[in-house]
Amino acid sequence: QKEVEQNSGPLSVPEGAIASLNCTYSDRGSQSFFWYRQYSGKSPELIMFIYSNGDKEDGRFTAQLNKASQYVSLLIRDSQPSDSATYLCAVNPSATGAGSYQLTFGKGTKLSVIP
Amino acid sequence: DAEITQSPRHKITETGRQVTLACHQTWNHNNMFWYRQDLGHGLRLIHYSYGVQDTNKGEVSDGYSVSRSNTEDLPLTLESAASSQTSVYFCASRGGGRTQYFGPGTRLTVL
Repeated sequence: QKEVEQNSGPLSVPEGAIASLNCTYSDRGSQSFFWYRQYSGKSPELIMFIYSNGDKEDGRFTAQLNKASQYVSLLIRDSQPSDSATYLCAVNPSATGAGSYQLTFGKGTKLSVIP
Repeated sequence: DAEITQSPRHKITETGRQVTLACHQTWNHNNMFWYRQDLGHGLRLIHYSYGVQDTNKGEVSDGYSVSRSNTEDLPLTLESAASSQTSVYFCASRGGGRTQYFGPGTRLTVL
């Protein structure tokens, strides 16, 4: 069974600090990796995606991917109270064939940014 | 603006009743998905469709069915609702890129 693992948290960081969220996945053939943010009672919204090894930056967010270690992370710089939410890691398990558009989600990490 | 909508947003039903949850998107996306989200389980895939007349089972499809008669809609039917199907249901769609976009969700309670 293809699995995506996240620490459930809660992860508490002070305002202005860097929040580091981690995710590991079991399917070595996984091709695409996504981070979604979900506020309580709301639907998931995409923060960013990454396909290649290394870092990808978008504003205060940086996604890091290491396919050899089957590890993807999300860094949030200058954390704000408005960043308090649950962060979902999602993995696209394969590039071609049936099921290639599916996403497998982790259970999410709850982040709390303390003012 | 193009969007994805779900209805109803909240539903209370009784065990054994048939329930249909609607999902409608105006992006003209071929790929549509239904998930349920429960505490301790995260988002789990129920059914998905890659185009009109195409439907596929996901991880937790027992007790659910879908049909795809046009590009815009993928209704989810619970044939005989059970208390274990109390959950929040999300519909999502995906176009030519790799990103799935989610609807606002339907909170279903089965008594």
